[in-house]
Amino acid sequence: TQLLEQSPQFLSIQEGENLTVYCNSSSVFSSLQWYRQEPGEGPVLLVTVVTGGEVKKLKRLTFQFGDARKDSSLHITAAQPGDTGLYLCAGVREPTNSNSGYALNFGKGTSLLVTP
Amino acid sequence: SAVISQKPSRDICQRGTSLTIQCQVDSQVTMMFWYRQQPGQSLTLIATANQGSEATYESGFVIDKFPISRPNLTFSTLTVSNMSPEDSSIYLCSGGQGQGETQYFGPGTRLLVL
Repeated sequence: TQLLEQSPQFLSIQEGENLTVYCNSSSVFSSLQWYRQEPGEGPVLLVTVVTGGEVKKLKRLTFQFGDARKDSSLHITAAQPGDTGLYLCAGVREPTNSNSGYALNFGKGTSLLVTP
Repeated sequence: SAVISQKPSRDICQRGTSLTIQCQVDSQVTMMFWYRQQPGQSLTLIATANQGSEATYESGFVIDKFPISRPNLTFSTLTVSNMSPEDSSIYLCSGGQGQGETQYFGPGTRLLVL
């Protein structure tokens, strides 16, 4: 099983602060995804990173994939209350057979609270 | 994109009973998956639902406890059998077209077993 470690597990900050969430694994992933989940809803994909060293930006969110494709980070600049939610990294798992599909191995998640 | 709906959205069940959760996608998807999530925690893959063949289960999950059907490319069901309080959780289905493609998630079914 390819395990993903996410840190921190909980984060409470004030509006306007910056933060970084880390996702680390001892395994190499062909690609890695970041999701955001709000209470009562399913996770929603934010970004997919594929190439080692890749950096992607989504407004105030910056995602980086490590050179060795084992780790990733999510940096939020000037956090807003609307950023509150559970952030999940997920490694895309190669199929183990023709029926297993490209399932996701999720990290434990980072619960972010941004207060006004 | 794909929109995924689940029924029921929540249920309270007695131990020893079974509950079937339905997952409907508004478009055909190649892959469908079932996950379990404790509130505020991460998702654990239960199985891959395969059209026309038996589901592929992850370690720790078995067909007798979690039978899955997938009769076509837009629909799947997960049954939680002979429930116990330990089965209380959020069950989510997802669908996607494969590697590199977005996986879309349903809103989840919140199950409480008494």
